[in-house]
Amino acid sequence: EVQLVQSGGGLVQPGGSLRLSCAASGFTFSNYWMSWVRQAPGKGLEWVASIKEDGSEKYYVDSVKGRFIISRDNVKNSLYLQMNSLRGEDTAIYYCATSTAILLRGVIRDYWGQGTLVTVST
Amino acid sequence: EIVLTQSPGTLSLSPGERATLSCRASQSVSTTYLAWYQQKPGQAPRLLIYGASSRATDIPDRFSGSGSGTDFTLTINRVEPEDFAVYYCHQYSSPPPLTFGGGTKVEIK
Repeated sequence: EVQLVQSGGGLVQPGGSLRLSCAASGFTFSNYWMSWVRQAPGKGLEWVASIKEDGSEKYYVDSVKGRFIISRDNVKNSLYLQMNSLRGEDTAIYYCATSTAILLRGVIRDYWGQGTLVTVST
Repeated sequence: EIVLTQSPGTLSLSPGERATLSCRASQSVSTTYLAWYQQKPGQAPRLLIYGASSRATDIPDRFSGSGSGTDFTLTINRVEPEDFAVYYCHQYSSPPPLTFGGGTKVEIK
């Protein structure tokens, strides 16, 4: 069974830092692009960052460039999002996900973590 | 950055009616890289359509996607009670950036 299990959310003050983790299992993690997507309370989905299979390419939405860092460890089958200089507008549920639909054992779909809430507030 | 504009913002329908959701892109999107998602409250998004018109596994055939270039459509034939949700179009061009539309809420009339 494919699973993406997230950890690391919580309450942080403006200007603070937080690191999100996403542990993957049930598929060959190193074969796939991975992404972080967020959703502010009551709002729509926003792509945050993506990373290539081997970590050699990373892309970010403009609003987090220079503050967030996406990374992965293909030995530990884990994806990370280091969030620095956090602002109130970063408050959201953060999801890790495969960047596209993938074919695994005859099933075509994408996979998402359960989501983790990050709240930036005093 | 490709901007995706969805319309209408809200669609009020009775069960059994057809839903037609629109997604317009600010520049041409390859059909390879256009998807549709369904999201219900408190849940992660669920992929319905990828490659503009291919259904993901286990998605009922009442869901269909079409379109090309800058205009894409998600159609739900005979809306079922479980289909009332928010729907997002998504372009995942390679390389990124990726973008989502603002969403269309399908609600019970």
